[in-house]
Amino acid sequence: QTVVTQEPSLTVSPGGTVTLTCASSTGAVTSGYYPNWFQQKPGQAPRPLIYSTTNKHSWTPARFSGSLLGGKAALTLSGVQPEDEADYYCLLYYSGPWVFGGGTKLTVL
Amino acid sequence: EVQLVESGGGLVQPGGSLRLSCAVSGFSFSDHYMEWVRQAPGKGLEWVGRSRDKASGYSTEYAASVKGRFTIARDDSMNSLYLQMNSLKTEDTAVYYCARIVGATTGSDYWGQGTLVTVSS
Repeated sequence: QTVVTQEPSLTVSPGGTVTLTCASSTGAVTSGYYPNWFQQKPGQAPRPLIYSTTNKHSWTPARFSGSLLGGKAALTLSGVQPEDEADYYCLLYYSGPWVFGGGTKLTVL
Repeated sequence: EVQLVESGGGLVQPGGSLRLSCAVSGFSFSDHYMEWVRQAPGKGLEWVGRSRDKASGYSTEYAASVKGRFTIARDDSMNSLYLQMNSLKTEDTAVYYCARIVGATTGSDYWGQGTLVTVSS
């Protein structure tokens, strides 16, 4: 069974930079996994941020960026704002099914 | 304005069935892939399955955990997506979201607010 792994939790200071990663149990994550990233705040539906590794939706703030880093998909937040405190999920494509990572709880403190 | 509204959730006994609906508006439904995602209480997101568009013959894909029990269907004339859930288990308890897909190998952009399914005796 395919497992997608994210950091369970991370803490960052306001104005700082943080990178969340997304690893696959099948090996290195490449652009062919079409990594997606989502933000979810309590009581809300997930909000898509990034698709196909680096592409932003029209509503995605400029401080969010997606990339591949060391065999993993990565989401970097630069100049973190208090409102960025949330759960973040990655999603990878496995030539048919898609699989979500377990999520990262980002605390801004 | 793109809108997706799920309905049909509720309490069902283990082994029972339920059909969820997702009514959409604001875009050409037949031109888009659509998918279902669920979230158990206090847990992470789980991809459930996807329906391709008319051009792709409305073919479907499912997660291993629901394959053979869940069926995704769509009615383009009603601008609606459905999730038929059979042989329900307690572990199927979750909020079920429908989402619009951006493109064939991309992810989603617009999501509904979800509908809660509780499987319990």
